Amino acid sequence: SAVISQKPSRDICQRGTSLTIQCQVDSQVTMMFWYRQQPGQSLTLIATANQGSEATYESGFVIDKFPISRPNLTFSTLTVSNLSPEDSSIYLCSGRDETKNIQYFGAGTRLSVL
Amino acid sequence: QQQVKQSPQSLIVQKGGISIINCAYENTAFDYFPWYQQFPGKGPALLIAIRPDVSEKKEGRFTISFNKSAKQFSLHIMDSQPGDSATYFCAATRDQAAGNKLTFGGGTRVLVKP
Repeated sequence: SAVISQKPSRDICQRGTSLTIQCQVDSQVTMMFWYRQQPGQSLTLIATANQGSEATYESGFVIDKFPISRPNLTFSTLTVSNLSPEDSSIYLCSGRDETKNIQYFGAGTRLSVL
Repeated sequence: QQQVKQSPQSLIVQKGGISIINCAYENTAFDYFPWYQQFPGKGPALLIAIRPDVSEKKEGRFTISFNKSAKQFSLHIMDSQPGDSATYFCAATRDQAAGNKLTFGGGTRVLVKP
């Protein structure tokens, strides 16, 4: 199975700053995704990270706030910009192995904004 | 049209009992229904999945029942163990569609009492 590594695992940031989260997959996946999860709640898809092109954002999420890069098949970053306390959440990276029809998740990055 | 409704929100069961979680979907184009298990501080992990061409799938103590006409599916955890205490998410997607994305239910927190 694919192993998805995220870092940092947690961070505390000041209002107005930005945090970049890195996601590394140990095998090639065709699709990578970024999710947000409030503690105790379900997962909300932020965007699909497309290799070498602009990410595809879901309704309510914009590139200026959540810029995403995916320079190759196994690596992606999510930046949460201009942080506010409302951005405090868990951010999860996910990769889909089309050959096995399985979507894997990283352990998440717990962000707290003061 | 994209919603997946999950119930109950939480569940307490005695060790050895049966945990039952129900999900209902609206989009008849969905053709792949996975269940994910998430432990605190971890990302969701695929537990078991079903396609609508079968009415039941069993893997160990975990069984999915699927009712295509009612657009409902459920997870049964037989002989529940304290180690099964976790949050469970049902999901649905169009398996072979380009850019297919998982739509998650709201989650069920299961507590198995010893």
